[in-house]
Amino acid sequence: GAVVSQHPSRVICKSGTSVKIECRSLDFQATTMFWYRQFPKQSLMLMATSNEGSKATYEQGVEKDKFLINHASLTLSTLTVTSAHPEDSSFYICSAKAPRRGEISYGYTFGSGTRLTVV
Amino acid sequence: KNEVEQSPQNLTAQEGEFITINCSYSVGISALHWLQQHPGGGIVSLFMLSSGKKKHGRLIATINIQEKHSSLHITASHPRDSAVYICAGAFNFGNEKLTFGTGTRLTIIP
Repeated sequence: GAVVSQHPSRVICKSGTSVKIECRSLDFQATTMFWYRQFPKQSLMLMATSNEGSKATYEQGVEKDKFLINHASLTLSTLTVTSAHPEDSSFYICSAKAPRRGEISYGYTFGSGTRLTVV
Repeated sequence: KNEVEQSPQNLTAQEGEFITINCSYSVGISALHWLQQHPGGGIVSLFMLSSGKKKHGRLIATINIQEKHSSLHITASHPRDSAVYICAGAFNFGNEKLTFGTGTRLTIIP
């Protein structure tokens, strides 16, 4: 249980175009979704926190007009990279707090990630 | 500043060896997470700890709150355990953000 499905897994786009990444919680409602970025051999960096029905909270240094986050329903959050540039090439991954099952909390559940290459 | 440090950065071992990965954090946390990232990038949550010890199969995670230290152990290691292991701390009660360590790249040689 507590699966987050992320699509696409890989995308190559031309510089200047926009790319949308989707994360869906399949068997639970995710009121909060976290979006991370990871450069090769580096740790995950939190970009923003999205909450269903409200504006996302962006981390310092992350351009909200470039990385548009929409969390319109309890099961879907999207990240759109607008006017992509080669420096936006990275691994993007989403995460949601997994629901408690009785007394057990499973922490966080992660999407499978999206490898974006901007050419 | 909330910090999480892991050691070692890289670890290579023979199949069957007992593996220990260490994690220390700078200030008090509400929970410490251990994650496994596969070569393709997918991340699996292994453990969430706030005290004591947890075991799942060949994996054991411990945490010492006083020493601000956690360890992940793998018994009877296998090549399929090769992955990057990441510890992450949730530092503020009610704030669900995680601060990540830099990860430990584990390679188990057959």
